[in-house]
Amino acid sequence: AQSVSQHNHHVILSEAASLELGCNYSYGGTVNLFWYVQYPGQHLQLLLKYFSGDPLVKGIKGFEAEFIKSKFSFNLRKPSVQWSDTAEYFCAVTYPFNTDKLIFGTGTRLQVFP
Amino acid sequence: DVKVTQSSRYLVKRTGEKVFLECVQDMDHENMFWYRQDPGLGLRLIYFSYDVKMKEKGDIPEGYSVSREKKERFSLILESASTNQTSMYLCASSGNTGELFFGEGSRLTVL
Repeated sequence: AQSVSQHNHHVILSEAASLELGCNYSYGGTVNLFWYVQYPGQHLQLLLKYFSGDPLVKGIKGFEAEFIKSKFSFNLRKPSVQWSDTAEYFCAVTYPFNTDKLIFGTGTRLQVFP
Repeated sequence: DVKVTQSSRYLVKRTGEKVFLECVQDMDHENMFWYRQDPGLGLRLIYFSYDVKMKEKGDIPEGYSVSREKKERFSLILESASTNQTSMYLCASSGNTGELFFGEGSRLTVL
């Protein structure tokens, strides 16, 4: 079955540290890729998405992600995190044969300390 | 501002009770979804709907049913709640971009 893997379950960083959260998916064809964020007590919201074109995608709040097809990966990065980035981050993918159905990873909880 | 509204933020029910979770979206989206979110398991799709009166099973439909009588409204029903259905339930909708818009969630506790 198609799946999405997030290997980092819990990440703890100090402010100004760099961040990279891993995301891998299991299908070798064309996919649409997303990163969602859930701040404490808030609803899930879209950080960024990739459908096609430039594999380096810029999102909100200084986040970016790079699509590497050969590695089946879509890792999320931020050069310098802030305390306000403390949240849970979910990678998600839709597959071409079912483009309306989003499959989520298990999430990565990020804690940033001042 | 686009909005997905879930009727209840917090519910406490007893085992065996029938539970209705309501969701309304104001974006005229065709697609609506119900997920449950559990620690360490991420979001798991329960049911989704592509159109009024249409529904399809997601990955974990057992113990749940849904209703979509109007385009803007998608209800999740637990016919006989059980303790293993204690969870956070998230409703979402999407249009033709594939981006999901989520509600704030309904935290259900079944005693």
